[in-house]
Amino acid sequence: GAVVSQHPSRVICKSGTSVKIECRSLDFQATTMFWYRQFPKKSLMLMATSNEGSKATYEQGVEKDKFLINHASLTLSTLTVTSAHPEDSSFYICSARGPGWGEKLFFGSGTQLSVL
Amino acid sequence: AQKITQTQPGMFVQEKEAVTLDCTYDTSDPSYGLFWYKQPSSGEMIFLIYQGSYDQQNATEGRYSLNFQKARKSANLVISASQLGDSAMYFCAMRGASTGNQFYFGTGTSLTVIP
Repeated sequence: GAVVSQHPSRVICKSGTSVKIECRSLDFQATTMFWYRQFPKKSLMLMATSNEGSKATYEQGVEKDKFLINHASLTLSTLTVTSAHPEDSSFYICSARGPGWGEKLFFGSGTQLSVL
Repeated sequence: AQKITQTQPGMFVQEKEAVTLDCTYDTSDPSYGLFWYKQPSSGEMIFLIYQGSYDQQNATEGRYSLNFQKARKSANLVISASQLGDSAMYFCAMRGASTGNQFYFGTGTSLTVIP
């Protein structure tokens, strides 16, 4: 299957700082990437959908200015948590779809963000 | 509106036995896709199996099979010959024609395989 690489896997930061998470499709062109947030033992909550070269579409209740998403190329999308606060601590996971893979959605390995 | 329901928060199965994880869904889309993903404790999401709403046969992928009952709107995952490595969270998901790229996930079932 296709490989989606997500970095970093774990990050600890101070409150008020910004954190960038990268999501790369290694062996396919990801026309669409998704960013999810997951609380412990909970389901995935879709935060936003990003299409290469255009602005991300955010789900209701997700702050666009806090969670900046950039999908600058067909293989890279980034999520920047700006001015992070302890309540932003969570597991963030990206996924990607691309031509040739049909309905399959491939996920990164996730990023555990801890804001002190 | 799309909705996925997984009613089993936790399941236990003896090693080498088969187990069924339940999933029901609700959608008004005539065309949709159903998915199962496995999430080990490491956090990654692993694609297991896909069923299209118009597929005539139930999907199978190795030890995984999807028991698709369209009239009942259920898409249960059957894992045969359980292995210790199958212990993980399992998520059922759906994508409908009207929702574009958006996937809807169930709340997940935690499966523990007992040696």
